[in-house]
Amino acid sequence: GQNIDQPTEMTATEGAIVQINCTYQTSGFNGLFWYQQHAGEAPTFLSYNVLDGLEEKGRFSSFLSRSKGYSYLLLKELQMKDSASYLCTAPDTGRRALTFGSGTRLQVQP
Amino acid sequence: ETGVTQTPRHLVMGMTNKKSLKCEQHLGHNAMYWYKQSAKKPLELMFVYSLEERVENNSVPSRFSPECPNSSHLFLHLHTLQPEDSALYLCASSQETNSGTGDSPLHFGNGTRLTVT
Repeated sequence: GQNIDQPTEMTATEGAIVQINCTYQTSGFNGLFWYQQHAGEAPTFLSYNVLDGLEEKGRFSSFLSRSKGYSYLLLKELQMKDSASYLCTAPDTGRRALTFGSGTRLQVQP
Repeated sequence: ETGVTQTPRHLVMGMTNKKSLKCEQHLGHNAMYWYKQSAKKPLELMFVYSLEERVENNSVPSRFSPECPNSSHLFLHLHTLQPEDSALYLCASSQETNSGTGDSPLHFGNGTRLTVT
């Protein structure tokens, strides 16, 4: 099964930039997803990387290095509403559904 | 209509009750899922349906019984639940590709917050 490692918690300041790292080990590789989940709410899809490099979507960017089993999510111009858990997940080959770990809980402070 | 709709949003039931959670997706997807999230814990995958056929059942107790009558609707029938079953139950859908390897993003509903008394 997949083995994901992310920091448990991070704190950053409003307006700043934060990078959330994720390392993974999977049986085969079918891409890597990032989701955002606010407390008590459903996760929302942020990004999907299957090729190496950086994918930018507005204030959020996601990077993948398949050779290193490494990804990061970059959040720019942080806003208070960005306080949430950020979930990195990479499905194993043959799995039909995503499984999730605890993610990284990000706290944005004024 | 929003993408994935779940009803009810909140449910309180006794241990002897029988109730059902409903999920409807308006995205034309071919796969649907039930996840459970207990307080401050990760999402746990319960059931996976692809083209209305159950393809994954993650050792879920028989007091939870899923039903997928068509590709747009998913139910979770509940009976004789325990207090530890209190959690947020999330439905999701996705467009499964030919490889069937779960490489398409999940779209979640807002969930049903279940309390078992």
